[in-house]
Amino acid sequence: EAGVAQSPRYKIIEKRQSVAFWCNPISGHATLYWYQQILGQGPKLLIQFQNNGVVDDSQLPKDRFSAERLKGVDSTLKIQPAKLEDSAVYLCASSPGGLLNYGYTFGSGTRLTVV
Amino acid sequence: AQSVTQLDSQVPVFEEAPVELRCNYSSSVSVYLFWYVQYPNQGLQLLLKYLSGSTLVKGINGFEAEFNKSQTSFHLRKPSVHISDTAEYFCAVIQGAQKLVFGQGTRLTINP
Repeated sequence: EAGVAQSPRYKIIEKRQSVAFWCNPISGHATLYWYQQILGQGPKLLIQFQNNGVVDDSQLPKDRFSAERLKGVDSTLKIQPAKLEDSAVYLCASSPGGLLNYGYTFGSGTRLTVV
Repeated sequence: AQSVTQLDSQVPVFEEAPVELRCNYSSSVSVYLFWYVQYPNQGLQLLLKYLSGSTLVKGINGFEAEFNKSQTSFHLRKPSVHISDTAEYFCAVIQGAQKLVFGQGTRLTINP
């Protein structure tokens, strides 16, 4: 089965610019997650979708970050405007549901550098 | 809320030596624990998980972990490491029903 696809792999932008990341989960996976991994730290959950509805976005900086999952499949994460501290790897993960039984599958991530 | 603490940010070892990466969790009635590995420029891959039952859990690539309720620990071990084990290792716990919370990570460096 195909894995979780993310694009782009790398992105360099200047501060105050906007950027968008794309994630295509494994077919049939109802749950989709976006994590932010700052260098030297563990991944931190930004937002969790169940189909096309948001389950948890408590740690999403909503003044600059937004995410959507139209039709319950692909998802995009946007940052506008970007700050230097947004430099990180943005990981997408998906699960068919039942985390205990199925766990997550992670994509390779998008490495964002804000200069 | 559930959380995990990884006690070492970096662990250097020699090839073929044993290694232990330490993880402590916040106590709770029920706890479900995971270890993930992240190779350079890749996503996270599941090594093993503890849900219930036997406290000694065996995973991929020769790794195992022991769930210790009295010490609230879930340390990861491998009896003999290889250069290819060089990676970042993350301990994680389920919080709520459907999300993982990760520790800070331990960078394992294997020296020849």
